[in-house]
Amino acid sequence: QKEVEQNSGPLSVPEGAIASLNCTYSDRGSQSFFWYRQYSGKSPELIMSIYSNGDKEDGRFTAQLNKASQYVSLLIRDSQPSDSATYLCAGDNAGNMLTFGGGTRLMVKP
Amino acid sequence: GAVVSQHPSWVICKSGTSVKIECRSLDFQATTMFWYRQFPKQSLMLMATSNEGSKATYEQGVEKDKFLINHASLTLSTLTVTSAHPEDSSFYICSAPTSGGRDEQYFGPGTRLTVT
Repeated sequence: QKEVEQNSGPLSVPEGAIASLNCTYSDRGSQSFFWYRQYSGKSPELIMSIYSNGDKEDGRFTAQLNKASQYVSLLIRDSQPSDSATYLCAGDNAGNMLTFGGGTRLMVKP
Repeated sequence: GAVVSQHPSWVICKSGTSVKIECRSLDFQATTMFWYRQFPKQSLMLMATSNEGSKATYEQGVEKDKFLINHASLTLSTLTVTSAHPEDSSFYICSAPTSGGRDEQYFGPGTRLTVT
């Protein structure tokens, strides 16, 4: 069974710190990976996608992919209280489907 | 990013009635859409894959006769919860992948269903 695993948290970081969110996946056939942010009571919002080994930066966010280790991470620099949310990691599957991890709850404390 | 809309955003219905939820891709065509359900403090659960021009594919344990899916056009999929019961109360979210070949999926804002 194809799985994406995340620590449920909560991960608590002080405002201004770097938040590091991690994800592992079991399906070596997965080629595309995504990070979604979900605020309580809202639907997930795509914040990063990554397809190649290495780092991809977009503003305060950096996604990292290591296919050999089957590991995906998301770094959030200068964390803000507004970043407090649940972060979902997802990997692609057959037929455009995504397999989601259970999500990591991030709390950024002022 | 691409825009997906859902209607209604919330609905309250009585037990035994049916509720239809619409999912539209506003600025792209989607031959495939996905329907998820999410209970409070739980992760997304994929219910079914909606396919334009063919039958939906349901995940194991999801009753296809209870959750009717119709992918009427390249921009519209509907989910009808038939004979709703209180245990069907949940947050229903659709998503659609863009056609860029990279499987980026965009979610609708969700529909909160409460069955009384």
